[in-house]
Amino acid sequence: GAVVSQHPSWVICKSGTSVKIECRSLDFQATTMFWYRQFPKQSLMLMATSNEGSKATYEQGVEKDKFLINHASLTLSTLTVTSAHPEDSSFYICSADLGTGVSPLHFGNGTRLTVT
Amino acid sequence: KQEVTQIPAALSVPEGENLVLNCSFTDSAIYNLQWFRQDPGKGLTSLLLIQSSQREQTSGRLNASLDKSSGRSTLYIAASQPGDSATYLCAVPRGFNKFYFGSGTKLNVKP
Repeated sequence: GAVVSQHPSWVICKSGTSVKIECRSLDFQATTMFWYRQFPKQSLMLMATSNEGSKATYEQGVEKDKFLINHASLTLSTLTVTSAHPEDSSFYICSADLGTGVSPLHFGNGTRLTVT
Repeated sequence: KQEVTQIPAALSVPEGENLVLNCSFTDSAIYNLQWFRQDPGKGLTSLLLIQSSQREQTSGRLNASLDKSSGRSTLYIAASQPGDSATYLCAVPRGFNKFYFGSGTKLNVKP
């Protein structure tokens, strides 16, 4: 079945550095991918919609210059956390639009980011 | 803005018990509702999807109901097993393939 792969599964970085997270659709083409963030004991919050070949759409309150999204191909979207700070430490999850007209049933396994 | 609430936040039961997880939402104009399972440090697995025209959906030991008028959904788990231990999230659409999520119910089934 359709699978979404997310990499890395966890990363630790120093404050001020940038971190790139990849989200791949393994056996289907995803014109749209979605990035969520989850703080401890809180729900998933949609950050942005990644559109293949065009600019991402960011949700209110999400800094587009800090969370850079690139969707250069139909199977890969990347989220780069630039100049990371400890408050960016969170669990980031992507999901992919299967383009079937029903809600996506496949999410990535998430990336645990810790900024020290 | 849609708000999705789940109670209880955490639940611990002995193996074999039947249990009910609750989800409420403030805007009843939804076209479906989904229940997901999230294992620690993992992504989400879709369990059940209920269309707005349906009142319930069943998959194995899981049964989900939807009452749009009252803004409520329940997830019933029969004969719980330790392998059911996870966090259960309900979600309602906020556009095509995007969701508002509840904060989840963390379930622990003790052997």
